[in-house]
Amino acid sequence: KQEVTQIPAALSVPEGENLVLNCSFTDSAIYNLQWFRQDPGKGLTSLLLIQSSQREQTSGRLNASLDKSSGRSTLYIAASQPGDSATYLCAVPSWGKLQFGAGTQVVVTP
Amino acid sequence: GAGVSQSPRYKVAKRGQDVALRCDPISGHVSLFWYQQALGQGPEFLTYFQNEAQLDKSGLPSDRFFAERPEGSVSTLKIQRTQQEDSAVYLCASSSRQGTGELFFGEGSRLTVL
Repeated sequence: KQEVTQIPAALSVPEGENLVLNCSFTDSAIYNLQWFRQDPGKGLTSLLLIQSSQREQTSGRLNASLDKSSGRSTLYIAASQPGDSATYLCAVPSWGKLQFGAGTQVVVTP
Repeated sequence: GAGVSQSPRYKVAKRGQDVALRCDPISGHVSLFWYQQALGQGPEFLTYFQNEAQLDKSGLPSDRFFAERPEGSVSTLKIQRTQQEDSAVYLCASSSRQGTGELFFGEGSRLTVL
């Protein structure tokens, strides 16, 4: 069974610092990986989808890398802002459904 | 519609009551998923529909849980004889592709069983 792990579980940084969020998965035979953001009491918002043929995907201040062979993905958020405070989850397809990590809770302090 | 819509957003039920949670996916999306999210955890898969066909219900925790999508659009998740351990956020997601393409989630329905 695919296992998805996110470390750290929580992260607090001052405004302006770059954020680095890690996601690891046990079965490297994936065809994509998706990063989501979740605000308290809200649903999930898709941030980036990386296909297995890609090594990275960028959207504004967000950059996600994928290393299938090592079973890892990293989400970088440049020049963090207080509005980036949220929980970030990664997910990979496994047997026709998405398998999620538990998320990294991020707090960006002004 | 513009996004995935779920109702009710909040539901409080007494133990033993039946509840029904509704999901309106993005128009034209063929795939629909239900997930359960406990506090501080990632979402856990419940069931998957491709159009009106329920192709995977392996995540439903017990036979008290039932889902349907009779016309291939709106879906309902029903929980019979609710228990306290059913308290969670129930998330619905849809995709334009079969299986796990890019998923778009609703805001969720928060169920509290007293």
